[in-house]
Amino acid sequence: KQEVTQIPAALSVPEGENLVLNCSFTDSAIYNLQWFRQDPGKGLTSLLLIQSSQREQTSGRLNASLDKSSGRSTLYIAASQPGDSATYLCAVEGSQGNLIFGKGTKLSVKP
Amino acid sequence: EAGVVQSPRYKIIEKKQPVAFWCNPISGHNTLYWYRQNLGQGPELLIRYENEEAVDDSQLPKDRFSAERLKGVDSTLKIQPAELGDSAVYLCASSPAYSGNTIYFGEGSWLTVV
Repeated sequence: KQEVTQIPAALSVPEGENLVLNCSFTDSAIYNLQWFRQDPGKGLTSLLLIQSSQREQTSGRLNASLDKSSGRSTLYIAASQPGDSATYLCAVEGSQGNLIFGKGTKLSVKP
Repeated sequence: EAGVVQSPRYKIIEKKQPVAFWCNPISGHNTLYWYRQNLGQGPELLIRYENEEAVDDSQLPKDRFSAERLKGVDSTLKIQPAELGDSAVYLCASSPAYSGNTIYFGEGSWLTVV
């Protein structure tokens, strides 16, 4: 059974700092991996989708990498801003076509 | 373009009462999902539709939960009777097709059972 773990559970950084969020999964047979952002009281917003054949994806200040063999992904946020404060969730899609989510990392960026 | 629309946003009911949630996916999206998210947890899939067919409902507690997607567009998720442990956020999502596509979520329906 696929399990997704995100470390750390919470992170607080000063504005302007670069940071890395980690995601690990137990079964490397995945089709893709997605990173989502969730603001309090809101649904999830997809940030980046990495297909299993890809190593990384970039969007603005965000860069996500995927290493299937080691069962790991990282989300790199450059020059963090207070508006980046949210919970970030990682999800993997397996052969059943369903997303398995981690519990998320709650990020707080202090002005 | 409108996103995934859910209603109601918030619902408080007494245990043993029924409740229903409605979802309107993004136009043209064939795949529709219902997820449940407990506090501090990631979402967990309840049911996935491809058009009007439920292709994965293995995690749906069928003794009290039911869902339908008429005409392959809107969907309704029902709980009857509700239990205290059903308090959670019920998220609807849609995507253009099964697998490998970005999934778009609604803002969720927040259920509190008292």
